[in-house]
Amino acid sequence: AQTVTQSQPEMSVQEAETVTLSCTYDTSENNYYLFWYKQPPSRQMILVIRQEAYKQQNATENRFSVNFQKAAKSFSLKISDSQLGDTAMYFCAFVIYNQGGKLIFGQGTELSVKP
Amino acid sequence: DGGITQSPKYLFRKEGQNVTLSCEQNLNHDAMYWYRQDPGQGLRLIYYSQIVNDFQKGDIAEGYSVSREKKESFPLTVTSAQKNPTAFYLCASRRDSNYGYTFGSGTRLTVV
Repeated sequence: AQTVTQSQPEMSVQEAETVTLSCTYDTSENNYYLFWYKQPPSRQMILVIRQEAYKQQNATENRFSVNFQKAAKSFSLKISDSQLGDTAMYFCAFVIYNQGGKLIFGQGTELSVKP
Repeated sequence: DGGITQSPKYLFRKEGQNVTLSCEQNLNHDAMYWYRQDPGQGLRLIYYSQIVNDFQKGDIAEGYSVSREKKESFPLTVTSAQKNPTAFYLCASRRDSNYGYTFGSGTRLTVV
């Protein structure tokens, strides 16, 4: 079975500090994309960052970066210089190439950034 | 601007009723998806469609039905067979070339 596990249901961080959200996944496939999505209280799903599994270099988008460990099937998200607007639910997800494009999501981590 | 429109934003269903959630996109995306979101369970796939007039069941299709008569539209019907339909429903579409997904703003369905 293809699954995603986010082991931290809730996390909090002080404004301007750094926080890391954990994600592990399970698949026997070799070609896939990994994603982190943010869902603020508006419930709109917003793409934070994505990583293609064949790329060894970790993806970075401004204050957001990932630590992708393919052998360990780990895909953690680091948020630097946390801002109040980062408060949201964060979902880790992946999709296997050529299998219908079905995104498989983790259970989510609720992040609170405190002033 | 291109995007996905879900309507209504809030929907109330009485016991035994069927209700239909609308999802329309003007992105010219071939693939469309319906997800259900419950607290603590992330998003679970209900149905998906990769092309007009074709669709497949996802992980939790029981009690739901869909149609894909037009590329732009992928409505979801929650039937009376769905015993616990209260949830938040998200529609998404995908650009075929590089797995870029666009999500709608969701419909909150409540059984009254």
